Amino acid sequence: KAGVTQTPRYLIKTRGQQVTLSCSPISGHRSVSWYQQTPGQGLQFLFEYFSETQRNKGNFPGRFSGRQFSNSRSEMNVSTLELGDSALYLCASSLKPGLAGGPHNEQFFGPGTRLTVL
Amino acid sequence: TQLLEQSPQFLSIQEGENLTVYCNSSSVFSSLQWYRQEPGEGPVLLVTVVTGGEVKKLKRLTFQFGDARKDSSLHITAAQPGDTGLYLCAGALPPGGTSYGKLTFGQGTILTVHP
Repeated sequence: KAGVTQTPRYLIKTRGQQVTLSCSPISGHRSVSWYQQTPGQGLQFLFEYFSETQRNKGNFPGRFSGRQFSNSRSEMNVSTLELGDSALYLCASSLKPGLAGGPHNEQFFGPGTRLTVL
Repeated sequence: TQLLEQSPQFLSIQEGENLTVYCNSSSVFSSLQWYRQEPGEGPVLLVTVVTGGEVKKLKRLTFQFGDARKDSSLHITAAQPGDTGLYLCAGALPPGGTSYGKLTFGQGTILTVHP
């Protein structure tokens, strides 16, 4: 069965622009979580969606937003890009909503979108 | 300050050597997970530990959850070049706090095993 896919894989933007990243979860998975990974801060949780509803949110500014569609595909948007937004953005899907699904509710990560802000 | 401190940050060893990676916190976790990430890919779950004192083995990898559920370790026996990668620990905080429901990751340990 196909894994989590993320598009695009690489993206270069300039400061002030906005960007939309896409994530298609594993078939049958209804929960999608987004993470930002940088060398300095490591992997940080952005938000989680389940059945088109945001269930949880990390400590990121309002410039970071997301949504989930009825087919469980998810998008995240970053507006007014800053240099510090350069990172690998990872999406992960699971059958049940995040940790509420229990400790063995495994998350499967996609390969990520590498965003570079110039 | 990281909620989960991983050490060492970098590890470069020869094939056949043993190694241990540590993940420590002052907070109690409901569960703790270990992931391995290779360049160009997302993290892949290796194990989830839930009970204090729990030990799990996955071939040459041994994972331990501290008795107080504040720390964990990953031990690799007879490391191989295929073990090379970024190892991440991630913890789930218990209900009641603002961070409940979110996975908190350590900074990671970059392991290089030379043939």
